[in-house]
Amino acid sequence: QSVLTQPPSVSAAPGQRVTISCSGSSSNIGNNYVSWYQQFPGTAPKLLIYDNNKRPSGIPDRFSGSKSGTSATLGITGLQTGDEANYYCGTWDSSLSAGGVFGGGTQLTVL
Amino acid sequence: EVHLVESGGGLVQPGGSLRLSCVASGFTLSSYWMNWVRQAPGKGLEWVANIQQDGSEKYYVDSVKGRFTISRDNTQNSLYLQMNSLRAEDTAVYYCARETNGYKSSRYYYYMDVWGKGTTVTVSS
Repeated sequence: QSVLTQPPSVSAAPGQRVTISCSGSSSNIGNNYVSWYQQFPGTAPKLLIYDNNKRPSGIPDRFSGSKSGTSATLGITGLQTGDEANYYCGTWDSSLSAGGVFGGGTQLTVL
Repeated sequence: EVHLVESGGGLVQPGGSLRLSCVASGFTLSSYWMNWVRQAPGKGLEWVANIQQDGSEKYYVDSVKGRFTISRDNTQNSLYLQMNSLRAEDTAVYYCARETNGYKSSRYYYYMDVWGKGTTVTVSS
């Protein structure tokens, strides 16, 4: 059971827009910044979004992030078949058991 | 170019020990917090532990406290994870990752911007 809650899967057609939600609590998302990671099967995760809505160099602006209260959202526009991957949200949890936390991951299918 | 390369994974019996290593290149290891993250077969990412630049502060996920120890040798550009009393549920690919953190507007930012390719640990009899 992950600390952050994500839908197991989402799907959309090429060219469409999709959003992936990430729900947490006041000890994590509510008071800390959120990051998002993209992972293709058999490969290491890659940083996609940091500080809620910033993109590292080389990440296209089709990817965006937002946060409101204890939830965060990853948005992907102009979907491409190459976007099919698993997406994870992450942040720091400042509770008594302080540490990094991830969502359970969302499998994106581009139909 | 920035790289992280893990090693030390393998097959170990339940109750056994293993030491993972991660060698950094292309950046100054001593300037960054570092993390271990694992991924069990077919499962999601699980944060395991992290360590401050000088090794003085460390955090662990509850499930490994008392069994795993994270450490580093900045002179060798290396990060380590000593894993004792291994269990079947520790079977996973273990990634090392570079961390960036700090405070902005009274909120904490924390993310992992460089990842290694991982090393596989299998705990089985």
